[in-house]
Amino acid sequence: SQKIEQNSEALNIQEGKTATLTCNYTNYSPAYLQWYRQDPGRGPVFLLLIRENEKEKRKERLKVTFDTTLKQSLFHITASQPADSATYLCALTYANNNDMRFGAGTRLTVKP
Amino acid sequence: NAGVTQTPKFRVLKTGQSMTLLCAQDMNHEYMYWYRQDPGMGLRLIHYSVGEGTTAKGEVPDGYNVSRLKKQNFLLGLESAAPSQTSVYFCASIPRVHGELFFGEGSRLTVL
Repeated sequence: SQKIEQNSEALNIQEGKTATLTCNYTNYSPAYLQWYRQDPGRGPVFLLLIRENEKEKRKERLKVTFDTTLKQSLFHITASQPADSATYLCALTYANNNDMRFGAGTRLTVKP
Repeated sequence: NAGVTQTPKFRVLKTGQSMTLLCAQDMNHEYMYWYRQDPGMGLRLIHYSVGEGTTAKGEVPDGYNVSRLKKQNFLLGLESAAPSQTSVYFCASIPRVHGELFFGEGSRLTVL
């Protein structure tokens, strides 16, 4: 069965540095890969979507890459701030499917 | 525009009791989803619906039933609650397949 793995449960970085989070999957590549942010006690909030035929997407300080050969997506937050501290989730959807599956998430802490 | 609203937000049940979680969206979205979130497990898909009157099973459907009698509502039922169903439940909707998910704020269920 398809597995989605986010590289680490927790990541601590210093303010101003770039945070890089990893999402790896097994078997076949999804049609779409998305990243969400979740704050404690809240529902996830959509950040970015990247399609199978796209290599990179950017939005302000956020960047997502998608490598179907490595079966991996990287999520970058540049010039990180304490307000970026949250759990980040990757989610995959497939062309022949209507559901969306999530990784377990990575908890990011940005220290001042 | 309320988005996705879940009721109730908190509930405590005894083993064997039944209950229904209600999800309502006012965005005229076609697709709706129910997830559960447990520590270290991420979001796991329970059931989903691609339109009024339709439902489908996700990763962990056992012990749950759903109904989508109206386009704006998606109900999740527990017929005989078990302690293993203690979790935070999230409802989400999207306007079309492969879009971004809009989540509710979650319903925290404890089964004693």
